[in-house]
Amino acid sequence: SQQGEEDPQALSIQEGENATMNCSYKTSINNLQWYRQNSGRGLVHLILIRSNEREKHSGRLRVTLDTSKKSSSLLITASRAADTASYFCATDDGSNYKLTFGKGTLLTVNP
Amino acid sequence: NAGVMQNPRHLVRRRGQEARLRCSPMKGHSHVYWYRQLPEEGLKFMVYLQKENIIDESGMPKERFSAEFPKEGPSILRIQQVVRGDSAAYFCASSPPRGVGSYEQYFGPGTRLTVT
Repeated sequence: SQQGEEDPQALSIQEGENATMNCSYKTSINNLQWYRQNSGRGLVHLILIRSNEREKHSGRLRVTLDTSKKSSSLLITASRAADTASYFCATDDGSNYKLTFGKGTLLTVNP
Repeated sequence: NAGVMQNPRHLVRRRGQEARLRCSPMKGHSHVYWYRQLPEEGLKFMVYLQKENIIDESGMPKERFSAEFPKEGPSILRIQQVVRGDSAAYFCASSPPRGVGSYEQYFGPGTRLTVT
């Protein structure tokens, strides 16, 4: 699998439910970032977690990082229809600038 | 503070023509990155520039593609003699100078290039 690969590829839930997306990567990283992309739009930065951090919160978002398993998860609590988007994790290769993105998880939140 | 601006948002070119994509970074940002996104794919790094310098172009195709970030004006991604396989969304991102503490990249809305 490529660096920064998200799982599942698609997720459909009801409004109010929680959504969990996972990301796996292969090589050592300095940090891992999560982005959201609405259909046909640019990417919106959600959260950055450094390699020495294990968990981070931002509003309804919770990100975890397990460097021993080379994996991260993004939890969106109390989802809303407006959360419908593709979610990407991005890792850097140690350069602190060259981000590698996965193919993303398409989240659909049904009202 | 305006975000990263890209223009045009949509660009249609016939095979063999040239495509010029522009990116104006966020105010105060001196680092610019270009990424390409093919349909159903994640973004792929192309090039990293600072003012008047190409820092890393390891993701750029060897031929027909070039990028610049002049002292004045926007960053330009130039694709000469476009082919159908160049059809993609091209995203520009910017970040503040190193040492400011953040490695977050802020993305523009992208330019969707269609080659007919």
